[in-house]
Amino acid sequence: DTGVSQDPRHKITKRGQNVTFRCDPISEHNRLYWYRQTLGQGPEFLTYFQNEAQLEKSRLLSDRFSAERPKGSFSTLEIQRTEQGDSAMYLCASSSERDAYNEQFFGPGTRLTVL
Amino acid sequence: KQEVTQIPAALSVPEGENLVLNCSFTDSAIYNLQWFRQDPGKGLTSLLLIQSSQREQTSGRLNASLDKSSGRSTLYIAASQPGDSATYLCAVDTDKLIFGTGTRLQVFP
Repeated sequence: DTGVSQDPRHKITKRGQNVTFRCDPISEHNRLYWYRQTLGQGPEFLTYFQNEAQLEKSRLLSDRFSAERPKGSFSTLEIQRTEQGDSAMYLCASSSERDAYNEQFFGPGTRLTVL
Repeated sequence: KQEVTQIPAALSVPEGENLVLNCSFTDSAIYNLQWFRQDPGKGLTSLLLIQSSQREQTSGRLNASLDKSSGRSTLYIAASQPGDSATYLCAVDTDKLIFGTGTRLQVFP
C-alpha cells in the first residue's frame, strides 16, 4: 500500500457523542496534515505535524478537537461532544520534509454525519 | 490573509473542447501551487504542482501556468473527455495548503 489511508470512511453519530478518526500516512512521509471540507467548499486547514510534534493549529480547531501523532507515524483526530456543525469530510494528507516541493498527498477522507 | 478564488464555479461543455480554469490568490508569498481533482464523495488527487519559480508545468493533456506577481494560475485541459468530469481545486502552499472553492466541470458526450 503506497497511499494515505483513513479509517473509518464514513461515520454517523448522534450529537454529543465523541468520535475518533485515524490516518496512516505514506510510510516515508514525516509530515501529516488534517483538513476539513464542507459541502461545496474547498478543504480548510486544521492542524499539522512534523514527526510527532504538532507545529500548527488553526483557530478552526476548537477545544473540542484534539489531534495526536504519538510515534510520528499514524495520527488520530478526536472530536468531543459532536455538534451538527461538525458534519463534514475530514481529509488527511502527508508529505516529506526531504521533498523540496513539499507535495502533499491526500487520503480518501472520513465523512462525518452528526444527527 | 491569503485568499484563493476560482472562476468559473461550474462549467458544462461538450466532449472535445479545450478548457481553461482560473485561479487567483491575494498574496504572492507562496512556495508552490497545486492543482487537484476531486470526484464526488472522494479524496483529492494531485494533478500538477508548480514551484514558485516556475512558469508552467505539463502532464498529458493538462497544462498549468503560474504568474506569481499577478497572483494567477490557469489550468488548461486539452480535448476534454467525459472522464474529466470532476471538481478541480487549486491550492497555494504557505506551509499549509489554502484552497479555492473549486470549479465543478461536466463534460458531456
